[in-house]
Amino acid sequence: DADVTQTPRNRITKTGKRIMLECSQTKGHDRMYWYRQDPGLGLRLIYYSFDVKDINKGEISDGYSVSRQAQAKFSLSLESAIPNQTALYFCATSDFGQSLGDTQYFGPGTRLTVL
Amino acid sequence: AQKITQTQPGMFVQEKEAVTLDCTYDTSDQSYGLFWYKQPSSGEMIFLIYQGSYDEQNATEGRYSLNFQKARKSANLVISASQLGDSAMYFCAMREEGRDDKIIFGKGTRLHILP
Repeated sequence: DADVTQTPRNRITKTGKRIMLECSQTKGHDRMYWYRQDPGLGLRLIYYSFDVKDINKGEISDGYSVSRQAQAKFSLSLESAIPNQTALYFCATSDFGQSLGDTQYFGPGTRLTVL
Repeated sequence: AQKITQTQPGMFVQEKEAVTLDCTYDTSDQSYGLFWYKQPSSGEMIFLIYQGSYDEQNATEGRYSLNFQKARKSANLVISASQLGDSAMYFCAMREEGRDDKIIFGKGTRLHILP
């Protein structure tokens, strides 16, 4: 089984709809992240969480909210989806703190299309 | 200013040739880490190699090596004996110690290996 899972894997929705993307991990990591990927722009950080009570905005948090329901679960919500939120969304986890070389582990991605 | 710059949006290379993917970074920190990730057409993000700012030797992982030139703030990825399966998007990324341990990604280079 994958260590980091994302649901759904693909979603098509309409402008104005509320959407939730879910992420679960079995790696036991405290830190979780949400990124979006757009062609030519790389990955940009939306929100990140160091534990259940510690949630922080990334560089592009407007229009998004998150919930850390448990150590293993981190959800991303689009309160009112708009077409420019069409992108590939990644969840990632890490066990940072021991070494700068601790990498992030990524989920398979959710491809979201907003019509 | 961009923290991570990848100047090659796309590259075409003949199979079995060596490939160098360029990456320059910008930081005033003394302690930082540099990463390369591969994203094949299937979409997942695969960690390839890591270089710490204090590492004296260039990192190597199989056919991947990182040409680290600290004074030039350069961290190029070298793939020896390229294979068709190396065709993918490649991202350079940096983690600065103490900056909430976020990883900042470049915009990526799309590598095409020609048979």
